[in-house]
Amino acid sequence: NAGVTQTPKFQVLKTGQSMTLQCAQDMNHNSMYWYRQDPGMGLRLIYYSASEGTTDKGEVPNGYNVSRLNKREFSLRLESAAPSQTSVYFCAVPGGYNEQFFGPGTRLTVL
Amino acid sequence: TQLLEQSPQFLSIQEGENLTVYCNSSSVFSSLQWYRQEPGEGPVLLVTVVTGGEVKKLKRLTFQFGDARKDSSLHITAAQPGDTGLYLCAGTPNDYKLSFGAGTTVTVRA
Repeated sequence: NAGVTQTPKFQVLKTGQSMTLQCAQDMNHNSMYWYRQDPGMGLRLIYYSASEGTTDKGEVPNGYNVSRLNKREFSLRLESAAPSQTSVYFCAVPGGYNEQFFGPGTRLTVL
Repeated sequence: TQLLEQSPQFLSIQEGENLTVYCNSSSVFSSLQWYRQEPGEGPVLLVTVVTGGEVKKLKRLTFQFGDARKDSSLHITAAQPGDTGLYLCAGTPNDYKLSFGAGTTVTVRA
């Protein structure tokens, strides 16, 4: 029972390159979330999916796209990476009382 | 502007000392959570408080939710090096999405 898994763990991109961050959960939750974490700013919601086939923008969606492939998987795509997207990206699923269970994160550097 | 303001931003103390981290807002929250995050890992939930005035204890950690449900505090008694990490508060104001504070980095020196 892995909970929430993310791949890759680390990634370095050049400006303008594209990539997809993968997230999978085995907790059978309908909702899944993507956050980015930057120093001094806490975690900010990029996109979320309330159920399979639906996605909605969060606080900082610009420059990102998402796909809810099935109930287990929720991917985050950067079409043309920019240095401002250097961050740590976390996928999460909900618990009770609006809690979140987080994956281990993907550390992305855009040069 | 952060919906949840945490203070202090950094805290460095000696093993055995006590510390308190604060989480404040002008908004009312239906619940507040505290997470701890270690380097290279995702945040891990420590506790959720849901009732105004509630106090919860987790071994040497004491969490308090303000009477008006706008603020919370985390107190660690006799801190140990294993308590080192980034402490994050988070909450949902009414029906809005979960908001996080910027975090407090705690370092406990042996």
